[in-house]
Order: sequence, then structure tokens, then C-alpha cells
Amino acid sequence: EDKVVQSPLSLVVHEGDTVTLNCSYEVTNFRSLLWYKQEKKAPTFLFMLTSSGIEKKSGRLSSILDKKELFSILNITATQTGDSAVYLCAVSHSGYALNFGKGTSLLVTP
Amino acid sequence: SAVISQKPSRDICQRGTSLTIQCQVDSQVTMMFWYRQQPGQSLTLIATANQGSEATYESGFVIDKFPISRPNLTFSTLTVSNMSPEDSSIYLCSVSEVSNYEQYFGPGTRLTVT
Repeated sequence: EDKVVQSPLSLVVHEGDTVTLNCSYEVTNFRSLLWYKQEKKAPTFLFMLTSSGIEKKSGRLSSILDKKELFSILNITATQTGDSAVYLCAVSHSGYALNFGKGTSLLVTP
Repeated sequence: SAVISQKPSRDICQRGTSLTIQCQVDSQVTMMFWYRQQPGQSLTLIATANQGSEATYESGFVIDKFPISRPNLTFSTLTVSNMSPEDSSIYLCSVSEVSNYEQYFGPGTRLTVT
């Protein structure tokens, strides 16, 4: 059975800290791994990773995939209160549909 | 990325009734999906909406309970039938292209069944 496991499930940090969120997966016919930020209802797309070892970066956020060890990390540097959200990891397999992890709830305190 | 809208954004319904949720995209897309997010849970795929043919449902979801239409490449509906309080969830449509695997979500419909 396909699995996507995120850790930690929740995290509280102070503004300015750096955080690392983890996502491990076991899926057949892996196509890609996607990261989303969910603040209210709709998940907002952050990154899509298909190749090992190539870092994707957007501002203070970055992510990398290891297809040999079957995991990805999402880094957020110099965190701000606006980064408070649930971060979702999802894996796309043969049918294009996504299999989601349970998410990491991040709270950044002033 | 495509701009996706959903209607209604929220609704409160009585048990035993049905609600149809609409998803509109501002450009033609190949793949459309419907997800459910129950309170405190992550997203679960309900079905893939296929243009011009029956939707493909995931295990645990059936057409009688969640009928889906997709008459063209920019529009789809999901109906939640004979609702019970357990159907209270956020329902989200998403779109993707076969040329890449990026998937974008609509704003969601928050459904409460009393």
C-alpha cells in the first residue's frame, strides 16, 4: 500500500529560526513529489520535485528530493509569522492523482 | 497556472439532502480531480473527473454517493448525495496537465451537514 509520512506532525518555532520538514514515501510507479502550504482551505503549490539531488528554491523556501532513500525535505530559513500553516507533502504516481501525507503544522511565534 | 473557482465557497445543509459543487477553470485542462478533507485530516482523493465519460472513483467512494460530471475541459461538478454529518468536510477540485505533474487546487467548498 502506498504511504506518505510526514514529520514532525507539529512544530513551534520563534521568528528567525530555520525549520526542516520531512517527507518519506513508499509508492509504486513514482512520478513526482509535491509540497503545498495550506493556511485556510486551499493548498497553495510550493514545489514539484522529480529528480534526485536538484534543489528547488523560492525565496526563503527550498526543497530537495532523494529518490534512493525515498524522502524529501522542505527548508524554511528566517521564518516569519506568515509562514504559520500546515505544510503538505504529496506524491504523484502512475495516475497523476496525489497521495497526501498528514501534514506538518508549523506555528511561528513572534 | 490556471485560475480555478469553486461554488459555493461554503454551505450548511440538512441531512438527507444533496449539494452540487461546481469547479470552473479559466483554461482547458486535461486532468481534473476531486478531493475531500475531513476535519483535522489530510486530503483524500475521491475521483478523477474524465471529460465525456464516467469518473474514476477511488476505493471507498461510489458514484451513487458522489456523482461527478465533466461536460468539457474547463468545468466539472461534484454532487454529495443523501448527506449525513460524516460528509462535513472541505471539498476541493484540482487540475493538472499531462505535460507536467504540477497540480493546482481550487479555493475549496466548506460543507457542514446538520
